[in-house]
Amino acid sequence: EPEVTQTPSHQVTQMGQEVILRCVPISNHLYFYWYRQILGQKVEFLVSFYNNEISEKSEIFDDQFSVERPDGSNFTLKIRSTKLEDSAMYFCASSEGRALDGNTEAFFGQGTRLTVV
Amino acid sequence: AQTVTQSQPEMSVQEAETVTLSCTYDTSESNYYLFWYKQPPSRQMILVIRQEAYKQQNATENRFSVNFQKAAKSFSLKISDSQLGDTAMYFCAFMKLKLVFGQGTRLTINP
Repeated sequence: EPEVTQTPSHQVTQMGQEVILRCVPISNHLYFYWYRQILGQKVEFLVSFYNNEISEKSEIFDDQFSVERPDGSNFTLKIRSTKLEDSAMYFCASSEGRALDGNTEAFFGQGTRLTVV
Repeated sequence: AQTVTQSQPEMSVQEAETVTLSCTYDTSESNYYLFWYKQPPSRQMILVIRQEAYKQQNATENRFSVNFQKAAKSFSLKISDSQLGDTAMYFCAFMKLKLVFGQGTRLTINP
């Protein structure tokens, strides 16, 4: 069964360093998302991406964050200068159809646990 | 903006019992999807069940079923014959442009 794959599963980084979280969405999916879950809190939307551009982003997704689809398979989230409060579980998701129509399911990866020290 | 509220932070039942998790949401949209996701200790997000807002019939998936009340904006999850493996965080989610999650309910199934 196709699945969304995220690497690494756990990353520890020093405050101020840049990190890149990687995701391989399901191959025929067109819509990609990043979500964040701080420990003990709910899952929060960060950004959605379609046709090589951001379609929507939340207030969390400030200038420190960027997303990219560098090739036909990977979808990355970059945090330029990490802060302690960026420590969280980061989930990548992809869907086949348009979320605007609410007619599709988002498949989640297993998450990357980012720890900023 | 859409909001999703889960009013039960924690629930605990005995194995084989039936348990119902509550969820309410707020939206002005008429077409949307609702989901329940399970998050075990591994923290992976696993889809449990989905409901299309335009469908009146409540979704059912084996031991899992929902009670969808569109007018009341309520979307509860019923787990029948609960099993130890059902122990997890359960998140209710609304989807139109993106998924919006509730705060979660920590469900513990006791032997």
